[in-house]
Amino acid sequence: AQSVAQPEDQVNVAEGNPLTVKCTYSVSGNPYLFWYVQYPNRGLQFLLKYITGDNLVKGSYGFEAEFNKSQTSFHLKKPSALVSDSALYFCAVRDNTGKLIFGQGTTLQVKP
Amino acid sequence: DGGITQSPKYLFRKEGQNVTLSCEQNLNHDAMYWYRQDPGQGLRLIYYSQIVNDFQKGDIAEGYSVSREKKESFPLTVTSAQKNPTAFYLCASSTGDRKNSPLHFGNGTRLTVT
Repeated sequence: AQSVAQPEDQVNVAEGNPLTVKCTYSVSGNPYLFWYVQYPNRGLQFLLKYITGDNLVKGSYGFEAEFNKSQTSFHLKKPSALVSDSALYFCAVRDNTGKLIFGQGTTLQVKP
Repeated sequence: DGGITQSPKYLFRKEGQNVTLSCEQNLNHDAMYWYRQDPGQGLRLIYYSQIVNDFQKGDIAEGYSVSREKKESFPLTVTSAQKNPTAFYLCASSTGDRKNSPLHFGNGTRLTVT
């Protein structure tokens, strides 16, 4: 069965430092992977997706994600974190029926 | 601007009452979805619809019902049979069920049942 795991409930980084939010997946066939961000009491906003092609995907707000097939990972990265990046981040994968399966979310806390 | 509108933002009901959450989109998307969000559990799919007058149960459909009479609208009814209805409900849409289509989300309805 398709699944997504985000092993960290919370990630803490200092402003200006690089950040990584981890995601691993399990899927049969080619993976279709997505990252979303959620601010308090708001809906999810799409950040980026991997369908095929380059393993490094660039998205909104300076975020990027690295697809690694051998490690079945799709980690979200940003070279220099901002306090305004503090939010809840979700990784997701499309299953074979087209439904989107979400990880449990990782809270990113960026401190000044 | 195109988008998804969920209303109301906050909703309070007494136990035993049915309540309907509104979701409207003007993105001309074929597919619409309802998710429930609880702290620490991510998003769980309640119902989805890929076309007008058709919908399928998601992973946690018990105690919920939906209709899809118009392309733009996908209301969700939380019935009295839902044992733990207090949650944050998110509606989403996408351009059909193509695997590379991201979901677009509304800003949610927070339902509190006492």
